[in-house]
Amino acid sequence: DAKTTQPPSMDCAEGRAANLPCNHSTISGNEYVYWYRQIHSQGPQYIIHGLKNNETNEMASLIITEDRKSSTLILPHATLRDTAVYYCIVRAYYSGNTPLVFGKGTRLSVIA
Amino acid sequence: DTGVSQDPRHKITKRGQNVTFRCDPISEHNRLYWYRQTLGQGPEFLTYFQNEAQLEKSRLLSDRFSAERPKGSFSTLEIQRTEQGDSAMYLCASTREDQPQHFGDGTRLSIL
Repeated sequence: DAKTTQPPSMDCAEGRAANLPCNHSTISGNEYVYWYRQIHSQGPQYIIHGLKNNETNEMASLIITEDRKSSTLILPHATLRDTAVYYCIVRAYYSGNTPLVFGKGTRLSVIA
Repeated sequence: DTGVSQDPRHKITKRGQNVTFRCDPISEHNRLYWYRQTLGQGPEFLTYFQNEAQLEKSRLLSDRFSAERPKGSFSTLEIQRTEQGDSAMYLCASTREDQPQHFGDGTRLSIL
């Protein structure tokens, strides 16, 4: 699986959009971008994943650049409950039975 | 969908004691994973089951660690002769086919 690079921390004002970047310059054609988050004292929670098209669900939007070397997770209206560590993971979709490889992620602090 | 359940949530024990954790996956999820997470780090893979078969083990899983998944339902992770370095959060995740992994809230182990 390709390696990802994320900033260690970010702040966001409550009610504003939180834009979390992820670089994955060595991503290959069959690899998807997955996002998980981990709220303090809880297990990681799946957010969203995508291959090359932008994706949106009830939690977030995922914007993947045309060359697929980077992506941005967008929380449109951040709340205090969105304070968490956000992990960007790249893996081949067919490898659904293989373990996830987590980095250190981005610690997002939503500020009132 | 009742989610992945882990028991106990917290375990404090003295060095040298044996401990056992339990994970109940989401029903009908045939794949089950154990991860370990130390402070400030992302989760690290320990081992993986497909139904009752243990298919993969990480080099992190020393011979003091053993995991089982009888009948392909719940799983247990046992650590024998615990050491200070075993202090961590132990996370369980389950999935089926190529769905995202769903995590429990973990068991936090503290070694005195």
